[in-house]
Amino acid sequence: KAGVTQTPRYLIKTRGQQVTLSCSPISGHRSVSWYQQTPGQGLQFLFEYFSETQRNKGNFPGRFSGRQFSNSRSEMNVSTLELGDSALYLCASSFGGSGYTEAFFGQGTRLTVV
Amino acid sequence: GESVGLHLPTLSVQEGDNSIINCAYSNSASDYFIWYKQESGKGPQFIIDIRSNMDKRQGQRVTVLLNKTVKHLSLQIAATQPGDSAVYFCAETGGGSNYKLTFGKGTLLTVNP
Repeated sequence: KAGVTQTPRYLIKTRGQQVTLSCSPISGHRSVSWYQQTPGQGLQFLFEYFSETQRNKGNFPGRFSGRQFSNSRSEMNVSTLELGDSALYLCASSFGGSGYTEAFFGQGTRLTVV
Repeated sequence: GESVGLHLPTLSVQEGDNSIINCAYSNSASDYFIWYKQESGKGPQFIIDIRSNMDKRQGQRVTVLLNKTVKHLSLQIAATQPGDSAVYFCAETGGGSNYKLTFGKGTLLTVNP
């Protein structure tokens, strides 16, 4: 079956702009989690959605937001971009939620803020 | 302050040798542990998981050992192959309604042919 699909793969944005990233989970999976990966901080949890509800949120500023649709697809949005937001943004899909069932990651969206 | 890159522990082995990658975790409430492999330009790939009611679990060429007393996790790869070269991360999640994975810093494994 198809894996986790993230779009776009690469993105270049200017400081102050906003960006929306998309994640389509594996069919039948209802949980989608988002992570930020940087050389300085490693992999850090952003938030997790299950059946359109946010169940957990990491320690990121309010500029980072997300949502999940009824078909389990998820989007994350970053407003007022800063240079430090440059990172690989990863989405993970699981049936019941990371920590309960196996989580599968997409290839990520590489965001560069200039 | 200035951010610096993570200094990844590295492990270099010869093809065919066994590899052992270690990970320490800090949350004694963690009850689910996973090893991921990440190749350059790709997302983390699930390798094997283990729950806190077990101390050992085997997969194909991989074994995970969990020592809850010292909060230590290890991944053993048998007959390491060049295709195993990647960064390996351990991840943990706490008990109860946590729903997030906390990742270790990762170990860069290089397999020399």
